[in-house]
Amino acid sequence: QKEVEQNSGPLSVPEGAIASLNCTYSDRGSQSFFWYRQYSGKSPELIMFIYSNGDKEDGRFTAQLNKASQYVSLLIRDSQPSDSATYLCAVNRARYYGQNFVFGPGTRLSVLP
Amino acid sequence: DAGVIQSPRHEVTEMGQEVTLRCKPISGHDYLFWYRQTMMRGLELLIYFNNNVPIDDSGMPEDRFSAKMPNASFSTLKIQPSEPRDSAVYFCASSERTSGRYEQFFGPGTRLTVL
Repeated sequence: QKEVEQNSGPLSVPEGAIASLNCTYSDRGSQSFFWYRQYSGKSPELIMFIYSNGDKEDGRFTAQLNKASQYVSLLIRDSQPSDSATYLCAVNRARYYGQNFVFGPGTRLSVLP
Repeated sequence: DAGVIQSPRHEVTEMGQEVTLRCKPISGHDYLFWYRQTMMRGLELLIYFNNNVPIDDSGMPEDRFSAKMPNASFSTLKIQPSEPRDSAVYFCASSERTSGRYEQFFGPGTRLTVL
């Protein structure tokens, strides 16, 4: 089992719809979770992070964490063509002050005008 | 701030040659990371430093790979000798723990092609 798993996609949604991206992880002791967006040919950029169970909202983005199920998700409301990118889920394996990230393979999102 | 700076942006070399990738982190950041990204393996952490000290190099694939951070503003990743399977995009990232966010800022990457 890979440490972090994501559906590779592509996930296609119409403009204005909600895009739902999912991620599961294997290390039950992981404490912090991140969503990065990567446009083709560019470097990853952080869009959300979440540490506690439940939902965290930031503008059109909502991250959801369920540590019991080892599941993290990202919802994008009112999807725009500019949201078309690959979304990487990252899990911090470090227990205390380290930053030992493991990234999932990414889900490619395509928002159709 | 100029962000994380990497050089060169593109490197084409022949198998067996030495390759050196360079990174300048964001000023004030105390963590520096080297990643490799390929279609097959995705984004992999190779090594990371905290306050110029290597903390975890378990992701370094082989002894052919080495990384140094002689000071807070400069790091190198060296491959010697290079092989075609080392072809990938290599990213450097930096972050600061004091922010509490653990946000890693990525550089533009170096696209390495080994022929």
